Amino acid sequence: DAKTTQPTSMDCAEGRAANLPCNHSTISGNEYVYWYRQIHSQGPQYIIHGLKNNETNEMASLIITEDRKSSTLILPHATLRDTAVYYCIDKSYGQNFVFGPGTRLSVLP
Amino acid sequence: NAGVTQTPKFQVLKTGQSMTLQCAQDMNHEYMSWYRQDPGMGLRLIHYSVGAGITDQGEVPNGYNVSRSTTEDFPLRLLSAAPSQTSVYFCASSYSWASREQYFGPGTRLTVT
Repeated sequence: DAKTTQPTSMDCAEGRAANLPCNHSTISGNEYVYWYRQIHSQGPQYIIHGLKNNETNEMASLIITEDRKSSTLILPHATLRDTAVYYCIDKSYGQNFVFGPGTRLSVLP
Repeated sequence: NAGVTQTPKFQVLKTGQSMTLQCAQDMNHEYMSWYRQDPGMGLRLIHYSVGAGITDQGEVPNGYNVSRSTTEDFPLRLLSAAPSQTSVYFCASSYSWASREQYFGPGTRLTVT
């Protein structure tokens, strides 16, 4: 079973920032936070990961709270192509990824 | 690079039939895995392999067999198909078990009647 909890669904207006929350209530010190997304019926796609510090790449930003019990994935200017199911996962090296049901993000025109 | 390829894209089986879902990657990845995804649910790990000749069970291994004779290929065998195995199957690979990024194939949609 997934160790993280996420809202079932969210809406976001096109062009606005999408902020997707995730709770990591049982995360341990050596576990990283990962975010993946799955567009329609395709295979999941890696977005970003982090340990303690906030991270940014060309796709998104990741904010991790100081106690690491929650994280937020930020898509700064959401487009219709960002409509997808977003998964947050916490795991350490040598563990397998466990995908929960994720958050279904709908970007609305 | 073709990445991760899966065949077939769609398959319909009758209960009791057996078949093999094919998965191949051309990235020289050591780690490969199989997931199934049922409607409205996340992906559940069936089997995984950390290298050629090494396989292990995931969360839902019953009714499935795997082998890893080469680095490139990781076939999934359904021994005796059941309606409960109707699902979408995804194969994934990564450079190693510790890699942050897994690359997923396009999936195989299987229906068992």
